Amino acid sequence: NAGVTQTPKFQVLKTGQSMTLQCAQDMNHEYMSWYRQDPGMGLRLIHYSVGAGITDQGEVPNGYNVSRSTTEDFPLRLLSAAPSQTSVYFCASSWAGYGYTFGSGTRLTVV
Amino acid sequence: GQQLNQSPQSMFIQEGEDVSMNCTSSSIFNTWLWYKQDPGEGPVLLIALYKAGELTSNGRLTAQFGITRKDSFLNISASIPSDVGIYFCAGAQTGANNLFFGTGTRLTVIP
Repeated sequence: NAGVTQTPKFQVLKTGQSMTLQCAQDMNHEYMSWYRQDPGMGLRLIHYSVGAGITDQGEVPNGYNVSRSTTEDFPLRLLSAAPSQTSVYFCASSWAGYGYTFGSGTRLTVV
Repeated sequence: GQQLNQSPQSMFIQEGEDVSMNCTSSSIFNTWLWYKQDPGEGPVLLIALYKAGELTSNGRLTAQFGITRKDSFLNISASIPSDVGIYFCAGAQTGANNLFFGTGTRLTVIP
C-alpha cells in the first residue's frame, strides 16, 4: 500500500497562475481532506469530502476548489494563485472516527 | 475557527527524561488525537482518544482525554533522540472529518 500520495512535492507559481495539487489514496477511505500548514499556525482545514461526489468547505476555503469523482482521488485546484497561498499543503484520508493518514505534503511558493 | 492552545511551544530535554505537553480548547471535542511531524513529512498519528477520561498508551507514549472534553495531555517517558519533532494535538467535534489542530510543541532531545 502506498497510503496517501501527493504530487508534486514542490511547486513555484507566479501570481495569477492556476494549478492542481493531486492527492490519491489506496486504502479505500471514504473521508479525505486538504490542509494547509503555515508557520506558527498549525494545520488548517481547506476542504473535505465524506465520499465520492460529496465535498464541503473547511476553515479556510477561499481561493480553492475541490471535487471528488472517485473514492481514490481528491484534487485541490488553485484558480488564480496569490502570494498568501504560499504554504505547505497536506492531503489526508481516514475511516470516519479512526484518525487521519497524511501525505508527505506539497510545498507551494507563489511569487 | 476553533482555537487549540498547545504548551509549551518548544522543549529542550536531556535524553532519558520524561516529557509532558498539553492542549486546551475553548470548545468541547468528542475526539482528541496526537500527531508527530518530522521535517519534510506529513503528521503521523500517535494516539487517538474517543472518551472523556480515557487514558491510552502506545509504547512510551501516554495520552489522556480530559474530563471536561476541553483538554488533552501527552506524556513521553524515557525520551530518545528519535523523539525529536513537532507534536500536534487535534480535536474533532463531528466524527473525525473536520480536525482542528493546535500550533504544535517542538521537542528537541539532547543526547
